[in-house]
Formats: sequence, structure tokens, C-alpha cells
Amino acid sequence: EAQVTQNPRYLITVTGKKLTVTCSQNMNHEYMSWYRQDPGLGLRQIYYSMNVEVTDKGDVPEGYKVSRKEKRNFPLILESPSPNQTSLYFCASSQQGPGYYEQYFGPGTRLTVT
Amino acid sequence: AQKVTQAQTEISVVEKEDVTLDCVYETRDTTYYLFWYKQPPSGELVFLIRRNSFDEQNEISGRYSWNFQKSTSSFNFTITASQVVDSAVYFCALTSDNYGQNFVFGPGTRLSVLP
Repeated sequence: EAQVTQNPRYLITVTGKKLTVTCSQNMNHEYMSWYRQDPGLGLRQIYYSMNVEVTDKGDVPEGYKVSRKEKRNFPLILESPSPNQTSLYFCASSQQGPGYYEQYFGPGTRLTVT
Repeated sequence: AQKVTQAQTEISVVEKEDVTLDCVYETRDTTYYLFWYKQPPSGELVFLIRRNSFDEQNEISGRYSWNFQKSTSSFNFTITASQVVDSAVYFCALTSDNYGQNFVFGPGTRLSVLP
């Protein structure tokens, strides 16, 4: 089944404790992206990647890191999480750029930073 | 910068009513792409439609229809004869070639369809 998976689905952590949210797709998509969703703000793009070893900042990259060492994986790293990073996070992928192809979204990861 | 505005934060209708969700976008590019996504209470994001800037034809898919007007920078979404299952948050989104592949969502409109 074609899908985007994220792990964990739920995470509660404390300020400053490094964490990684994994994202994997099995559709051989070139484009992958991370978003955060906050009430009243919709989804905002954090980082995106056009292909392996190619990443770029979205609208809200501060406090996040990403890497794209393999085509299928695009982990989101919070090196020193803070309470303002409490949010719902979505990973997405598309065959190429999202203008031309539909984005497929993962199920979301709800992160709480205390 | 690119921007998507959805001025309606929440809308409530009674089942079988028609409802229109507004979307206004801003971009300096001549080639851009507009989208609508649905997020039901279960939380997943469901793709509804993609439209490029060169195609101003309105589209109808069952009870759903979309009206794209470049003159007013709007891409509105109408649900005809709404049903309870249409209750969800609906997002309008924009991307364009000249902004790399940066993807911008509007804040969303929460639609509640009451039985």
C-alpha cells in the first residue's frame, strides 16, 4: 500500500531533550516536506527536499533540522525542543514538485514539549 | 511573498444547504498552482483538487465545485446539498515555480454540517 509513515504518532518530552520524528514513504517520491499545524494558522512549511541531499527552508525553519540521505526517509530533528514547538506535525511526499503532483500526507505526529 | 487568505474561520450549515468556502491568494508569479485539502475530524489530510494558473475553467466533481477567478485572485469551493460527512476543516493552498517548491496553506475554514 502506497503510504507515508511517521513515528512516533504521539510524543511528550521536556524542554531541551533532543528528539527525532521519522518520516518514510514507499512511493519512490522525489519531493518530501514537513509541516506544522497550529490552531488558526493552518499548516506551515518547515523544510522541504527536492531529492536526496537537497533540502531547503520553508516558512518556519527555526529550531528544526532535516536530512535527506535516502530517497525514502526525511527525518525531522529538534535538537533543543521548546514549548513553542508543541504542535501537530505532518510529513508529505509527492512524485516531484508539489505544484505538478498531489502531495501525500502522513498521519501526523502530535508533539508536546513541557 | 506568497499568501493564502481564508477569511471564514468557521461556518455552520444545516444538512442539504449549499455552502461556499472562500479562498483569496497572493502571488507575483504568473505560473502557480492552487489546491484544496480536506481535514476531517480523524485528522488526515485529503487532497481534493489542483488547479494551475493557466486553467480558469470551473470544475465540478459530484457535489463539489470550484470557481477560479484570476481577476479577483480567488479560488472558491462550493459544496452543494451538504451532508454531515462534509464536516471538516478545509484548507486552500498555493505553490509556484518561482518560489522553489515552497508550499503555502491558508489558515483553514472549519465547516460544521448539522443534521
